[in-house]
Amino acid sequence: EAGVAQSPRYKIIEKRQSVAFWCNPISGHATLYWYQQILGQGPKLLIQFQNNGVVDDSQLPKDRFSAERLKGVDSTLKIQPAKLEDSAVYLCASSRLGSPLHFGNGTRLTVT
Amino acid sequence: GENVEQHPSTLSVQEGDSAVIKCTYSDSASNYFPWYKQELGKGPQLIIDIRSNVGEKKDQRIAVTLNKTAKHFSLHITETQPEDSAVYFCAATYNAGKSTFGDGTTLTVKP
Repeated sequence: EAGVAQSPRYKIIEKRQSVAFWCNPISGHATLYWYQQILGQGPKLLIQFQNNGVVDDSQLPKDRFSAERLKGVDSTLKIQPAKLEDSAVYLCASSRLGSPLHFGNGTRLTVT
Repeated sequence: GENVEQHPSTLSVQEGDSAVIKCTYSDSASNYFPWYKQELGKGPQLIIDIRSNVGEKKDQRIAVTLNKTAKHFSLHITETQPEDSAVYFCAATYNAGKSTFGDGTTLTVKP
């Protein structure tokens, strides 16, 4: 099966600019996650979707981050405006209910 | 919420030696414990997992043990090879849903 696809692979922006990341999960995976991985740390959950509904967004900084999953398939994560501390790798993962997570290769964001 | 601590943060071994990475978790409701390997520039990849109704699981050179009473679990890699060099993450979750990750162990296997 094809893996989780993410784009772009890299993005460099200046602080206060906006940026968007895209994720296409594995076909048939109803659950989609966005994780933030700061250098030297483990991934931290930002938001979890079940089909096109939000299950958990308690760790999402909602004043600047937003995410959507239209039609229960692809998802986008947006940051506006970006801060220096948002520099990280943004990982998308998908899974079937009760099954392990499958991760994409992430988008590395650098905010200057 | 769940909190996962992972030790050591770095581990260097000679090729052929064994490597052990340990994790503790805080939420007794967690019942699924996956281990991921992350290579440079890639996302974490599942290498082995264990559920709370099992004390030990083995897959070739990799094994995981779980002590529910003490709330800790460990990854054991035997006969290490240079290609085992990577960052390893443990995680804890309820019913294989959203996972709380440790901060990773950088394993270096020296030839």
